[in-house]
Amino acid sequence: KQEVTQIPAALSVPEGENLVLNCSFTDSAIYNLQWFRQDPGKGLTSLLLIQSSQREQTSGRLNASLDKSSGRSTLYIAASQPGDSATYLCAVVGQGAQKLVFGQGTRLTINP
Amino acid sequence: EAGVVQSPRYKIIEKKQPVAFWCNPISGHNTLYWYLQNLGQGPELLIRYENEEAVDDSQLPKDRFSAERLKGVDSTLKIQPAELGDSAVYLCASSLSPLPDNEQFFGPGTRLTVL
Repeated sequence: KQEVTQIPAALSVPEGENLVLNCSFTDSAIYNLQWFRQDPGKGLTSLLLIQSSQREQTSGRLNASLDKSSGRSTLYIAASQPGDSATYLCAVVGQGAQKLVFGQGTRLTINP
Repeated sequence: EAGVVQSPRYKIIEKKQPVAFWCNPISGHNTLYWYLQNLGQGPELLIRYENEEAVDDSQLPKDRFSAERLKGVDSTLKIQPAELGDSAVYLCASSLSPLPDNEQFFGPGTRLTVL
């Protein structure tokens, strides 16, 4: 059974810092990995999707990497801003599966 | 384009009472998902529909939970009777077709509090 773990559970940093969020998964046979953002009282918004054949994806100040063999992904946020404060979730779709398996999320706070 | 719509946004009930949540997916999306999200946890799939058919309900507690998707559009998730442990956020999502090749779009969720 696939399990996804995110560390740390919560992170607080001052504005302007670069930061890294971590995600690990137990079964490396994945189809893709996705990073989501969740704001309080709102649904999930997809940030980046990495196919299993890819090593990284970039969107603006966000960069996600994937090391499938070691079962790890990182989300790098450059020059953090208070508006980046949210919960960040990673999720994987296993080979042959048709559902997302989520980690528990990292609650990020950017202090002005 | 309108996103996934859910109602109500918040619901407070006493234990043993019934409750129902409604979801309207994005127009044209054939696949609909219901997730349960406990506080501080990621969402967990309860049930997945392909049009009117429930194709994955293995995680749905069938003794008290039920769901339907009449005409393959809107969906309703029901709990009867509700228990204290059912307090959580219930998320609905939709996609054009099943994963993994199609992006899921999530609604804002319904926050349920059982007293």
